[in-house]
Amino acid sequence: EPEVTQTPSHQVTQMGQEVILRCVPISNHLYFYWYRQILGQKVEFLVSFYNNEISEKSEIFDDQFSVERPDGSNFTLKIRSTKLEDSAMYFCASSEGGAGNQPQHFGDGTRLSIL
Amino acid sequence: GNSVTQMEGPVTLSEEAFLTINCTYTATGYPSLFWYVQYPGEGLQLLLKATKADDKGSNKGFEATYRKETTSFHLEKGSVQVSDSAVYFCALTRPQAAGNKLTFGGGTRVLVKP
Repeated sequence: EPEVTQTPSHQVTQMGQEVILRCVPISNHLYFYWYRQILGQKVEFLVSFYNNEISEKSEIFDDQFSVERPDGSNFTLKIRSTKLEDSAMYFCASSEGGAGNQPQHFGDGTRLSIL
Repeated sequence: GNSVTQMEGPVTLSEEAFLTINCTYTATGYPSLFWYVQYPGEGLQLLLKATKADDKGSNKGFEATYRKETTSFHLEKGSVQVSDSAVYFCALTRPQAAGNKLTFGGGTRVLVKP
């Protein structure tokens, strides 16, 4: 069964550094998402992306965050200047369509640790 | 805004016991409802879904019925196995919106003992 893949599985970065998290969505999917889960808290929506532009973003997704689909297969999340509070598990997801009844398929996540 | 409330865990059960995880939601209109499962060290996997009132989603022996009148989507399994030990997340998406974000509950950790 096709799956969403994320790399790296664990990223350790110094505060203030830039970090790029990478995702390869399922190949025929058109909608892409990033979520994060701070340890012990809920899974939170960050951003959705369709047709090479952001469809929706949450309050968390401020100017320090950006997303990009640099080629036909990758979908990346960049944090420009990391803060301690960015430490979390980041999940990428994709869906075939954008309607509410379309299930989103998740990767295994990247654990980001900011020192 | 939309929200999902799940019973807090951990829920500890013996093998072959009956499992219920309560989930209620707040949303306008008719959201789609989902249960995701996260096994240790893995990502979120879709377990089942229901997209309209009175729909029943089912998979791997798990069931949940979309109850509009009680705004609930409780997850049940009649006889759990040790392999069902995981964190279960209830979630919803809004109707009629593209690029639809999922709103998650807090997750319920289930531990099944042999």
